[in-house]
Amino acid sequence: DAGITQSPRHKVTETGTPVTLRCHQTENHRYMYWYRQDPGHGLRLIHYSYGVKDTDKGEVSDGYSVSRSKTEDFLLTLESATSSQTSVYFCAIGHNNYGYTFGSGTRLTVV
Amino acid sequence: KNEVEQSPQNLTAQEGEFITINCSYSVGISALHWLQQHPGGGIVSLFMLSSGKKKHGRLIATINIQEKHSSLHITASHPRDSAVYICAVPGNQFYFGTGTSLTVIP
Repeated sequence: DAGITQSPRHKVTETGTPVTLRCHQTENHRYMYWYRQDPGHGLRLIHYSYGVKDTDKGEVSDGYSVSRSKTEDFLLTLESATSSQTSVYFCAIGHNNYGYTFGSGTRLTVV
Repeated sequence: KNEVEQSPQNLTAQEGEFITINCSYSVGISALHWLQQHPGGGIVSLFMLSSGKKKHGRLIATINIQEKHSSLHITASHPRDSAVYICAVPGNQFYFGTGTSLTVIP
């Protein structure tokens, strides 16, 4: 497979708790992305990274932070989870010109 | 404002039918992508095309750059084709359509 894995695959958490999702790639790709997918919306970009310690915000970044201390790992953190952050989260690697490879997704439920 | 619009949103077909899914976009692009997502599954890339037509098995994708329109066709549809099909175009970021949910009934 493409060498991109997400963990955990499923998580249920309580409102107000911090949550960290992990994306790990073995492709040595420079660009990594976090998206959320919700009914009625296309995939929406949360944050992306263009290198170690280089990150930028996407269109729905409020309430989320990211870190990339190594090429292979891109972490998404919800500092204080809210019910509106219940979603399916996808990590991707790639570039606009060539397309993306997606992870299998993390289904997060905030109760 | 949606940079990418797909139609229809939902589609139900009988096995064997010819299926067409449409995608219109408003941004200038170098290429357009078609993606497939099975229920509860990940997202896989089907096609990347910048002109004309591409074919892979029973799937055919076409694009008209001047009209900013692309279509995905499935010939001799099968229940295993049931999935969400997503159109995406690159711009400052990747812009995704909301997807077309296809159900093929045996």
